[in-house]
Amino acid sequence: GQQVMQIPQYQHVQEGEDFTTYCNSSTTLSNIQWYKQRPGGHPVFLIQLVKSGEVKKQKRLTFQFGEAKKNSSLHITATQTTDVGTYFCAATGPGGSQGNLIFGKGTKLSVKP
Amino acid sequence: DSGVTQTPKHLITATGQRVTLRCSPRSGDLSVYWYQQSLDQGLQFLIQYYNGEERAKGNILERFSAQQFPDLHSELNLSSLELGDSALYFCASSVSTASGANVLTFGAGSRLTVL
Repeated sequence: GQQVMQIPQYQHVQEGEDFTTYCNSSTTLSNIQWYKQRPGGHPVFLIQLVKSGEVKKQKRLTFQFGEAKKNSSLHITATQTTDVGTYFCAATGPGGSQGNLIFGKGTKLSVKP
Repeated sequence: DSGVTQTPKHLITATGQRVTLRCSPRSGDLSVYWYQQSLDQGLQFLIQYYNGEERAKGNILERFSAQQFPDLHSELNLSSLELGDSALYFCASSVSTASGANVLTFGAGSRLTVL
């Protein structure tokens, strides 16, 4: 079945450092979504990318969708303690646009003040 | 409050028992999804319903079953529970975006502990 591989699994940074997590697929994706789960919380939708080469920004967060639509990245500039959590990418499953979302295993970010 | 309501929040039970987790989707959302999250693990897709019909099935064990009722709430039934079933079970509901992809809104989860 369709899978999305996410790396790294864990990332520990000093506050103020940058952070990047990567999501890769062996198949072309119709779209990719990113979610954030705070410790003890539930996943919350951050953004969706649809177009080849698309780049979207949300304050210090930059999301990219690869030209071949097989990979994506989330980059956080100058991390803050509020960025702590697990970041998941998710792609539409085999059911097509109305189908389920397949999540990567997530990257757990810890930020040392 | 995300608008997706899950009950119970916590549940402790013994091996071999059966439990039912309940989910009410956001108003207007027709799709309901169930995910399992074990400790330090990702989100494992279990099953999806759309307007009462099963739409997609993931790695859901035969001991587990689900349904979506006419009022769109959903229940996940877990039977013959094993220690390994201890996990956080999330329900999510969705609305389709203009691109057709589903954006999920998650509930707070039901934490199941099997002793």
